[in-house]
Amino acid sequence: EVQVVESGGGLVQPGGSLRLSCAASGFIFSNFLMSWVRQAPGKGLEWVAGINQDGSGKFYVDSVKGRFTISRDNAKDSLYLQMNSLRAEDTAVYYCATDEGWGQGTLVTVSS
Amino acid sequence: QSVLTQPPSVSAAPAQKVTISCSGSSSNIGNNYVSWFQQLPGTAPKRLIYENHKRPSGIPDRFSGSKSGTSATLDITGLQTGDEADYYCGTWDSSLNIWLFGGGTKLTVL
Repeated sequence: EVQVVESGGGLVQPGGSLRLSCAASGFIFSNFLMSWVRQAPGKGLEWVAGINQDGSGKFYVDSVKGRFTISRDNAKDSLYLQMNSLRAEDTAVYYCATDEGWGQGTLVTVSS
Repeated sequence: QSVLTQPPSVSAAPAQKVTISCSGSSSNIGNNYVSWFQQLPGTAPKRLIYENHKRPSGIPDRFSGSKSGTSATLDITGLQTGDEADYYCGTWDSSLNIWLFGGGTKLTVL
């Protein structure tokens, strides 16, 4: 059974940092491109970042370039999102997503 | 405003058919595969369609997708109340080098 589980969300002040993690199981993690997708309260889906199978290719939406870093550890079947210089507009549920499935999301709230 | 354009809402009666459109451009839909996602209230999105028309295992054939030029459509036949959800199209944009989602369409089964 495919499982994708995010963790690391929480309340952070503007300008602060958080590191999201995603643990995957039930499929060959290293075979799949992975993405982070977010959804602000009451809004639609927004793709944030993606990483190819071996981690050599990373892509970001303009609004997070220079602030967020996506990475993966294929030995641990895990995906990460390092988020720095957080802003109020980064408040959202962050989903770990792949063709095999999506996690249930982790809530990030940026507020003073 | 999303690069991929979807109608904000659609509605139809149970057992009827509904079509959800997704309009883009040559840099996205025109030259890349389209996927469709269903998000039931309070849950994570789930992929319904990939590579324009293929269904993952477990997705009923009431859901079908197609693409023509720079537009794609999702058809849902035999509507059920359990189909009430938000539906999103998605595709890669080769100029922006990012994945795009449409703005989402809320389906109401009357």
